[in-house]
Amino acid sequence: QVQLVQSGAEVKKPGASVKVSCKASGYTFTSYDINWVRQATGQGLEWMGWMNPNSGNTGYAQKFQGRVTMTRNTSISTAYMELSSLRSEDTAVYYCARESYYYGSGEMYWFDPWGQGTLVTVSS
Amino acid sequence: SSELTQDPAVSVALGQTVRITCQGDSLRSYYASWYQQKPGQAPVLVIYGKNNRPSGIPDRFSGSSSGNTASLTITGAQAEDEADYYCNSRDSSGNHQEFGGGTKLTVL
Repeated sequence: QVQLVQSGAEVKKPGASVKVSCKASGYTFTSYDINWVRQATGQGLEWMGWMNPNSGNTGYAQKFQGRVTMTRNTSISTAYMELSSLRSEDTAVYYCARESYYYGSGEMYWFDPWGQGTLVTVSS
Repeated sequence: SSELTQDPAVSVALGQTVRITCQGDSLRSYYASWYQQKPGQAPVLVIYGKNNRPSGIPDRFSGSSSGNTASLTITGAQAEDEADYYCNSRDSSGNHQEFGGGTKLTVL
């Protein structure tokens, strides 16, 4: 079955970087964009950016420009999200999600499946 | 702040029908997708496009759209439908994605 499996929880100090992995299985990794979404405790979903695993092209939310880098290793069907200059406000669960789209009578995009989430805690 | 607006909380009596709405200018150009999230779990896709349900999603979930508003309707709400629901769409530029603030659904 189509599945995304993320790396385990991380604890980082302010100013450090974190790199979260997302391993895809059950489909052709290079055929679908991977998006990253985060969620602070008790808060809503926040979109961070996307990566095309085939080309390596990326697009980031303005809020994270300059701090986030999304990469991939196609030989092991794994996407990565690295966030630098961490601060306490970056404490959150980080999700990867596969993006699909269809252009019919209108444009539609959707995220399915999602990874299980990775808790990143930033604390001194 | 999100450009997609959702009511923070909605309640429904067991077995009744509830509609959760999402408003935003981008919805005039793009269909919304809807996600259900239960405590401690990752979001799950429930509706995408005009009114498409992924495999395994009960047919009591349906979607619709009109103008700048997308709606998720649950017909005959069940106790297990109690969750947070998020809408999602491309933003007005078409280059980025955005989520609504989420709606907490309580089944009474």
